[in-house]
Order: sequence, then structure tokens, then C-alpha cells
Amino acid sequence: EDQVTQSPEALRLQEGESSSLNCSYTVSGLRGLFWYRQDPGKGPEFLFTLYSAGEEKEKERLKATLTKKESFLHITAPKPEDSATYLCAVQVSGGSYIPTFGRGTSLIVHP
Amino acid sequence: KAGVTQTPRYLIKTRGQQVTLSCSPISGHRSVSWYQQTPGQGLQFLFEYFSETQRNKGNFPGRFSGRQFSNSRSEMNVSTLELGDSALYLCASSLVAGGHEQYFGPGTRLTVT
Repeated sequence: EDQVTQSPEALRLQEGESSSLNCSYTVSGLRGLFWYRQDPGKGPEFLFTLYSAGEEKEKERLKATLTKKESFLHITAPKPEDSATYLCAVQVSGGSYIPTFGRGTSLIVHP
Repeated sequence: KAGVTQTPRYLIKTRGQQVTLSCSPISGHRSVSWYQQTPGQGLQFLFEYFSETQRNKGNFPGRFSGRQFSNSRSEMNVSTLELGDSALYLCASSLVAGGHEQYFGPGTRLTVT
């Protein structure tokens, strides 16, 4: 069974304190791994898609990386506005392409 | 470009009733997917429609159904509501079926009493 596990469940940082969120996956074959950001009361906002091990993508203070077993979302010098829940999801190749989501990491950045 | 819109935003229903939720995708997007989000189960895939055809279906009972119209707008219906159906229902659109980049609407918060 395809599984996606995110850690930690919750993370509190001080403004400017860099850290990483983890998304580990167990799938038969990866078609793509996605990162989303979700603010309270809103739908998830698409951030990145990663397709193959070694791939990296950046957007402002966020950088996503991918290995054969996990993905990291690195947050450099976070600001309070980066506070949100970060979700990752995977699509399996050769199948129905139904995405499987992790439970998310709730990030709070204190000023 | 306007984003994904969902109506209504909030809904309160009683057990046994049925409900219909609506989703308008981003202009030009032909795929619409529906998700249920709860604190206990997280985000779970319900179904995907592309060109008015259901392409994929998640592991939900037959009480959950949907359809897509020729203008790509989509509706989902839940019949015989149960307390456990209380959730945030999210719609996401993408250019193609099984699209890698999905754009979510704000969701419909359904409360079943």
C-alpha cells in the first residue's frame, strides 16, 4: 500500500531560524511528488512538483528536494507569513494517478 | 485569471438529507477533482472528472457522486448524510486529467447535525 508520512507534525520556529520539513514515501513507482501550502480556512496552494531523485526547486524562502525515499522542504530565514500547514502528496506511475496526501506539518513562525 | 470557486462556502444539514456542492474550475482547465478533508483522515481523494467523464474514484461509498458539465463546471452530491460526512470539501482543477499541478478552491465547510 502506498504511504506518505510527514514529519514533524508540528514545528515552531523563531523568525529567521531555518529548518526542514520531511515527507517520506513508500510507493511502487513515483510519477511525481507535490508540495502544497494550506492556510487556515483555505484550500491548499500549489508550491512545487518534483519528478526524479536529485531534483530541486526553489521559490522565495522555500526549497524542495527529492531522493528515492523522501523529500525535504527547506525553509530559509522564515518569516511569520510562512506560518501554514505544508502538505506533500505523491502520484504513482502506471496507475490511476490518484494522489495520496500526507497529514501535513503545521508550521508556526514567531516574530 | 480567476481561481477555482466553490459554492456554497458553508452549509449546515441534518442527518438523512442530501446536499449538492458546486465547483467552477479555472478557465481552460478541463479536469476537476474533489477531496474530503477532515482532522482525523486528512485530505482524501473522492473522484476526478475530465471532459464530463469520471476518470478516477476514491474509496468512498456510493452516497458520494458527482458530475461534470460541458463547461467543465462540476457538482458533487452526497445523499443520506451521516454525521461523519462533516468535513471541508475541496475542489481542485488542472489542465489535464491526472494533472501534476492542481489548483484548489477555498472549499465548502459542511456540517451535519
